[in-house]
Amino acid sequence: AQTVTQSQPEMSVQEAETVTLSCTYDTSESDYYLFWYKQPPSRQMILVIRQEAYKQQNATENRFSVNFQKAAKSFSLKISDSQLGDAAMYFCAYRTGNTNAGKSTFGDGTTLTVKP
Amino acid sequence: NAGVTQTPKFRILKIGQSMTLQCTQDMNHNYMYWYRQDPGMGLKLIYYSVGAGITDKGEVPNGYNVSRSTTEDFPLRLELAAPSQTSVYFCASSYSMGVGQETQYFGPGTRLLVL
Repeated sequence: AQTVTQSQPEMSVQEAETVTLSCTYDTSESDYYLFWYKQPPSRQMILVIRQEAYKQQNATENRFSVNFQKAAKSFSLKISDSQLGDAAMYFCAYRTGNTNAGKSTFGDGTTLTVKP
Repeated sequence: NAGVTQTPKFRILKIGQSMTLQCTQDMNHNYMYWYRQDPGMGLKLIYYSVGAGITDKGEVPNGYNVSRSTTEDFPLRLELAAPSQTSVYFCASSYSMGVGQETQYFGPGTRLLVL
Protein backbone atom coordinates (compact mmCIF):
# COMPACT_ATOMS: atom_id res chain seq x y z
CA ALA A 1 0.00 0.00 0.00
CA GLN A 2 1.13 3.51 -0.72
CA THR A 3 1.81 5.98 2.06
CA VAL A 4 2.21 9.74 2.00
CA THR A 5 4.03 11.58 4.76
CA GLN A 6 4.03 15.29 5.47
CA SER A 7 6.54 15.85 8.24
CA GLN A 8 5.66 19.50 8.92
CA PRO A 9 2.33 19.86 10.74
CA GLU A 10 2.70 23.66 10.69
CA MET A 11 4.71 26.19 8.75
CA SER A 12 4.74 29.95 8.67
CA VAL A 13 6.06 32.48 6.16
CA GLN A 14 6.29 36.23 5.92
CA GLU A 15 4.21 37.82 3.22
CA ALA A 16 6.13 38.13 -0.09
CA GLU A 17 8.69 35.52 0.95
CA THR A 18 9.15 31.93 -0.17
CA VAL A 19 8.22 28.77 1.70
CA THR A 20 8.69 25.09 0.93
CA LEU A 21 6.38 22.35 2.15
CA SER A 22 7.72 18.81 2.30
CA CYS A 23 6.15 15.56 1.22
CA THR A 24 7.56 12.06 0.92
CA TYR A 25 5.80 8.97 -0.30
CA ASP A 26 6.35 5.27 -0.50
CA THR A 27 5.36 3.14 -3.48
CA SER A 28 6.54 0.23 -5.55
CA GLU A 29 4.78 1.50 -8.66
CA SER A 30 6.51 3.27 -11.49
CA ASP A 31 3.46 4.97 -12.97
CA TYR A 32 1.66 7.40 -10.69
CA TYR A 33 0.63 11.00 -10.13
CA LEU A 34 1.31 13.40 -7.31
CA PHE A 35 -0.75 16.38 -6.26
CA TRP A 36 -0.82 19.28 -3.89
CA TYR A 37 -4.23 20.43 -2.69
CA LYS A 38 -5.06 23.57 -0.76
CA GLN A 39 -7.81 23.59 1.83
CA PRO A 40 -8.73 27.10 3.06
CA PRO A 41 -11.01 27.68 6.06
CA SER A 42 -14.00 27.13 3.77
CA ARG A 43 -12.83 23.47 3.77
CA GLN A 44 -13.16 23.01 0.03
CA MET A 45 -10.26 21.10 -1.49
CA ILE A 46 -8.62 23.02 -4.32
CA LEU A 47 -6.07 21.51 -6.67
CA VAL A 48 -2.86 23.54 -6.64
CA ILE A 49 -0.52 21.54 -8.84
CA ARG A 50 0.00 18.05 -10.19
CA GLN A 51 3.01 16.07 -11.36
CA GLU A 52 3.15 13.00 -13.56
CA ALA A 53 5.80 10.55 -12.38
CA TYR A 54 6.99 9.85 -15.92
CA LYS A 55 7.86 13.52 -16.44
CA GLN A 56 11.28 14.63 -15.29
CA GLN A 57 10.45 18.30 -15.54
CA ASN A 58 9.07 19.85 -12.37
CA ALA A 59 5.53 21.19 -12.64
CA THR A 60 4.94 24.93 -12.25
CA GLU A 61 1.73 26.92 -11.82
CA ASN A 62 2.37 30.63 -11.46
CA ARG A 63 3.83 31.15 -7.93
CA PHE A 64 3.64 27.43 -7.14
CA SER A 65 6.29 24.94 -8.19
CA VAL A 66 7.38 21.50 -7.12
CA ASN A 67 10.67 19.76 -6.60
CA PHE A 68 10.03 16.20 -7.68
CA GLN A 69 12.78 13.75 -6.77
CA LYS A 70 11.56 10.37 -8.00
CA ALA A 71 14.47 8.31 -6.72
CA ALA A 72 14.17 9.85 -3.27
CA LYS A 73 10.35 9.68 -3.42
CA SER A 74 10.13 13.32 -2.47
CA PHE A 75 7.64 15.90 -3.72
CA SER A 76 7.99 19.32 -2.13
CA LEU A 77 5.88 22.40 -2.88
CA LYS A 78 7.48 25.83 -3.16
CA ILE A 79 5.31 28.91 -2.83
CA SER A 80 7.00 32.08 -4.03
CA ASP A 81 5.96 35.65 -3.19
CA SER A 82 3.59 34.34 -0.51
CA GLN A 83 0.27 36.11 -0.18
CA LEU A 84 -2.20 36.31 2.70
CA GLY A 85 -4.63 34.27 0.62
CA ASP A 86 -2.17 31.38 0.57
CA ALA A 87 -2.88 30.69 4.23
CA ALA A 88 -4.52 27.28 4.34
CA MET A 89 -3.94 23.62 5.00
CA TYR A 90 -1.98 21.93 2.23
CA PHE A 91 -2.28 18.26 1.43
CA CYS A 92 0.05 16.12 -0.62
CA ALA A 93 -1.65 13.24 -2.44
CA TYR A 94 -0.59 10.19 -4.42
CA ARG A 95 -2.67 8.52 -7.09
CA THR A 96 -1.82 5.29 -8.85
CA GLY A 97 -1.37 5.30 -12.59
CA ASN A 98 -3.45 2.14 -12.78
CA THR A 99 -6.65 3.52 -14.28
CA ASN A 100 -8.72 0.72 -12.82
CA ALA A 101 -7.78 1.55 -9.25
CA GLY A 102 -9.14 5.09 -9.03
CA LYS A 103 -7.91 5.80 -5.53
CA SER A 104 -5.74 8.49 -3.97
CA THR A 105 -3.76 8.49 -0.75
CA PHE A 106 -3.45 11.75 1.18
CA GLY A 107 -0.95 12.98 3.72
CA ASP A 108 -2.11 14.47 7.02
CA GLY A 109 -1.54 18.02 5.86
CA THR A 110 0.57 21.07 6.67
CA THR A 111 -1.05 24.20 8.04
CA LEU A 112 0.52 27.27 6.45
CA THR A 113 0.29 30.64 8.18
CA VAL A 114 1.19 33.79 6.26
CA LYS A 115 2.27 36.73 8.40
CA PRO A 116 1.66 40.29 7.14
CA ASN B 1 -21.00 23.66 -14.79
CA ALA B 2 -21.73 23.47 -11.10
CA GLY B 3 -18.99 20.86 -10.66
CA VAL B 4 -19.45 18.63 -7.61
CA THR B 5 -22.27 19.60 -5.27
CA GLN B 6 -23.02 18.18 -1.82
CA THR B 7 -26.00 18.48 0.46
CA PRO B 8 -26.48 19.18 3.27
CA LYS B 9 -23.64 21.51 4.30
CA PHE B 10 -24.07 20.73 7.98
CA ARG B 11 -26.08 18.24 9.97
CA ILE B 12 -26.42 17.17 13.58
CA LEU B 13 -27.49 13.58 14.19
CA LYS B 14 -28.38 11.72 17.33
CA ILE B 15 -26.69 8.41 18.03
CA GLY B 16 -28.50 5.63 16.19
CA GLN B 17 -30.13 7.87 13.59
CA SER B 18 -29.50 7.41 9.90
CA MET B 19 -29.08 9.82 7.03
CA THR B 20 -27.99 10.11 3.42
CA LEU B 21 -25.36 12.54 2.23
CA GLN B 22 -26.05 13.58 -1.32
CA CYS B 23 -23.41 14.12 -4.02
CA THR B 24 -23.99 15.12 -7.62
CA GLN B 25 -21.56 16.00 -10.41
CA ASP B 26 -22.36 17.45 -13.81
CA MET B 27 -19.02 16.81 -15.53
CA ASN B 28 -19.91 13.33 -16.82
CA HIS B 29 -17.14 11.79 -14.71
CA ASN B 30 -17.13 8.04 -14.38
CA TYR B 31 -15.19 7.93 -11.14
CA MET B 32 -16.66 9.18 -7.87
CA TYR B 33 -15.38 9.01 -4.30
CA TRP B 34 -16.36 9.61 -0.72
CA TYR B 35 -13.77 10.72 1.81
CA ARG B 36 -13.94 11.66 5.45
CA GLN B 37 -11.67 14.14 7.12
CA ASP B 38 -11.29 14.10 10.86
CA PRO B 39 -10.03 17.24 12.64
CA GLY B 40 -6.39 18.01 11.83
CA MET B 41 -6.07 14.95 9.64
CA GLY B 42 -5.91 14.04 5.98
CA LEU B 43 -8.61 12.42 3.91
CA LYS B 44 -9.54 8.79 4.26
CA LEU B 45 -11.34 7.02 1.43
CA ILE B 46 -14.67 5.49 2.44
CA TYR B 47 -16.07 4.17 -0.85
CA TYR B 48 -15.53 4.79 -4.51
CA SER B 49 -17.23 4.00 -7.78
CA VAL B 50 -15.78 3.54 -11.25
CA GLY B 51 -19.14 3.81 -12.99
CA ALA B 52 -22.87 3.45 -12.61
CA GLY B 53 -23.72 0.21 -10.85
CA ILE B 54 -20.15 -0.39 -9.63
CA THR B 55 -18.91 0.46 -6.14
CA ASP B 56 -16.01 -0.68 -3.99
CA LYS B 57 -14.74 -0.20 -0.46
CA GLY B 58 -11.98 2.17 0.47
CA GLU B 59 -9.94 2.34 3.66
CA VAL B 60 -12.74 3.03 6.15
CA PRO B 61 -16.06 1.62 4.84
CA ASN B 62 -17.54 0.31 8.09
CA GLY B 63 -20.79 2.00 9.07
CA TYR B 64 -21.45 3.33 5.56
CA ASN B 65 -23.15 2.26 2.38
CA VAL B 66 -23.22 3.68 -1.11
CA SER B 67 -25.07 3.22 -4.36
CA ARG B 68 -24.47 4.47 -7.89
CA SER B 69 -27.58 4.18 -9.99
CA THR B 70 -26.63 7.05 -12.31
CA THR B 71 -23.39 8.61 -13.52
CA GLU B 72 -24.25 11.89 -11.82
CA ASP B 73 -25.22 10.79 -8.31
CA PHE B 74 -23.29 8.98 -5.59
CA PRO B 75 -25.13 9.12 -2.25
CA LEU B 76 -23.50 7.99 0.99
CA ARG B 77 -25.72 6.34 3.58
CA LEU B 78 -24.99 6.31 7.30
CA GLU B 79 -26.88 3.69 9.25
CA LEU B 80 -26.98 3.81 13.05
CA ALA B 81 -24.87 6.94 13.42
CA ALA B 82 -22.10 6.82 16.03
CA PRO B 83 -19.99 9.62 17.57
CA SER B 84 -16.96 8.20 15.73
CA GLN B 85 -18.63 9.28 12.48
CA THR B 86 -18.40 12.93 13.44
CA SER B 87 -16.31 14.30 10.61
CA VAL B 88 -16.31 16.36 7.43
CA TYR B 89 -17.31 14.34 4.39
CA PHE B 90 -16.05 15.14 0.93
CA CYS B 91 -17.32 13.83 -2.36
CA ALA B 92 -15.04 13.94 -5.39
CA SER B 93 -15.10 12.89 -9.02
CA SER B 94 -12.67 12.37 -11.89
CA TYR B 95 -12.48 11.19 -15.46
CA SER B 96 -11.74 7.51 -15.94
CA MET B 97 -9.32 7.84 -18.80
CA GLY B 98 -7.47 10.26 -20.97
CA VAL B 99 -5.91 13.58 -20.14
CA GLY B 100 -7.06 14.76 -16.75
CA GLN B 101 -8.16 11.35 -15.58
CA GLU B 102 -5.88 11.60 -12.62
CA THR B 103 -7.26 14.86 -11.22
CA GLN B 104 -10.03 14.75 -8.66
CA TYR B 105 -12.58 17.52 -8.33
CA PHE B 106 -13.94 17.99 -4.83
CA GLY B 107 -17.26 19.16 -3.50
CA PRO B 108 -17.51 21.73 -0.70
CA GLY B 109 -17.94 19.12 2.03
CA THR B 110 -20.63 18.15 4.52
CA ARG B 111 -19.93 18.65 8.21
CA LEU B 112 -21.57 15.98 10.34
CA LEU B 113 -21.86 16.03 14.11
CA VAL B 114 -23.14 12.94 15.91
CA LEU B 115 -24.22 13.51 19.51
